[in-house]
Amino acid sequence: GAVVSQHPSRVICKSGTSVKIECRSLDFQATTMFWYRQFPKQSLMLMATSNEGSKATYEQGVEKDKFLINHASLTLSTLTVTSAHPEDSSFYICSAAIGRQSGEQYFGPGTRLTVT
Amino acid sequence: KQEVTQIPAALSVPEGENLVLNCSFTDSAIYNLQWFRQDPGKGLTSLLLIQSSQREQTSGRLNASLDKSSGRSTLYIAASQPGDSATYLCAGISSGSARQLTFGSGTQLTVLP
Repeated sequence: GAVVSQHPSRVICKSGTSVKIECRSLDFQATTMFWYRQFPKQSLMLMATSNEGSKATYEQGVEKDKFLINHASLTLSTLTVTSAHPEDSSFYICSAAIGRQSGEQYFGPGTRLTVT
Repeated sequence: KQEVTQIPAALSVPEGENLVLNCSFTDSAIYNLQWFRQDPGKGLTSLLLIQSSQREQTSGRLNASLDKSSGRSTLYIAASQPGDSATYLCAGISSGSARQLTFGSGTQLTVLP
């Protein structure tokens, strides 16, 4: 149980285009989903926290107009990188949390974004 | 703000050796601490979750401990195997942080056959 999927697993796009990444909780309802990015040889940095039906909360330094997050249902959150640039190339990972007490998060397999 | 540090950054051991990975955190008001494994180019696999009321958790050859007073957690791996080679990340959730995980920078483990 507690499986999280991401789609696509890899995407290459041209500079200036937009890319949408999906995060789905397959066998549970996620009250909260999180989006992280990871640069090579570095750890995960939280980008934003999203709760179903409400606006995402972005971490300091993350542009909300560039990284659009939609959490339309309890099983789906999307991250859209708008007008992507080469410096947006990174590994994007989502996680989903069950319930409100345990705090345990289940992570997706990640999406490798390369902007050329 | 919670800060999480992992030492060493990289570790190489021969197969069969027992080893300890270290994680320290600055905010003792930690809600829980989680250890993950990450293989190259892959997502995270949760290994162990320790709630703030617990001192340790065990799963197979893995044992994780949590000492809130000293701000430390350790991951003990017994009888290491080449398949254990990966990057190990610890992450903590501070009380009142809306369940946001703060990650350490990881320890890259290589188990030599």
